[in-house]
Amino acid sequence: DTEVTQTPKHLVMGMTNKKSLKCEQHMGHRAMYWYKQKAKKPPELMFVYSYEKLSINESVPSRFSPECPNSSLLNLHLHALQPEDSALYLCASSHPRDREDSGANVLTFGAGSRLTVL
Amino acid sequence: AQTVTQSQPEMSVQEAETVTLSCTYDTSENNYYLFWYKQPPSRQMILVIRQEAYKQQNATENRFSVNFQKAAKSFSLKISDSQLGDTAMYFCAFMDTGGKLIFGQGTELSVKP
Repeated sequence: DTEVTQTPKHLVMGMTNKKSLKCEQHMGHRAMYWYKQKAKKPPELMFVYSYEKLSINESVPSRFSPECPNSSLLNLHLHALQPEDSALYLCASSHPRDREDSGANVLTFGAGSRLTVL
Repeated sequence: AQTVTQSQPEMSVQEAETVTLSCTYDTSENNYYLFWYKQPPSRQMILVIRQEAYKQQNATENRFSVNFQKAAKSFSLKISDSQLGDTAMYFCAFMDTGGKLIFGQGTELSVKP
């Protein structure tokens, strides 16, 4: 299995809703990432988990709450979002940088979850 | 802070011709990785090619090759024999020692029949 699977593909939510985005990989990767991407813009890093621990938080507002329950799963919990949070949310995974092989550092991306906040 | 600059927002090329996409970056680190990713309209981000900074030899992957100039901090992508399926947004990206992957603004490439 060489895929990163993201669900749902599309999500529409109101500003008072609570929802979650899910990401799953079975490649044995121990680093997982959340990126936010606006139309015609590059992805912006939000969070990095390494060995199931949060290693990077790019000053993301607390209405976004990441969770890594195990080495294969990454969730992004959403609460009280704003319309400007509407975007494509990309999950990615990789071998962590301490792994000595040619595959380290290469991120494999999911197809994304398109979020619309009304 | 590291930055990645792609100065060509849009480019077009005729099918079967060659096109070069430019990328420059700024860093004070000596060990890092550079990447080109492709994002077609289907939105799946796909790795095109990777270069380790400590390797002087330019990376190649079939029709895709890079011109890596470390001193100039330049990392251009050459696509030979362009195909319609190469139509996509191309992002140059830099990974620092902390594991952060930083993207340039992207170049939207159109391959015309």
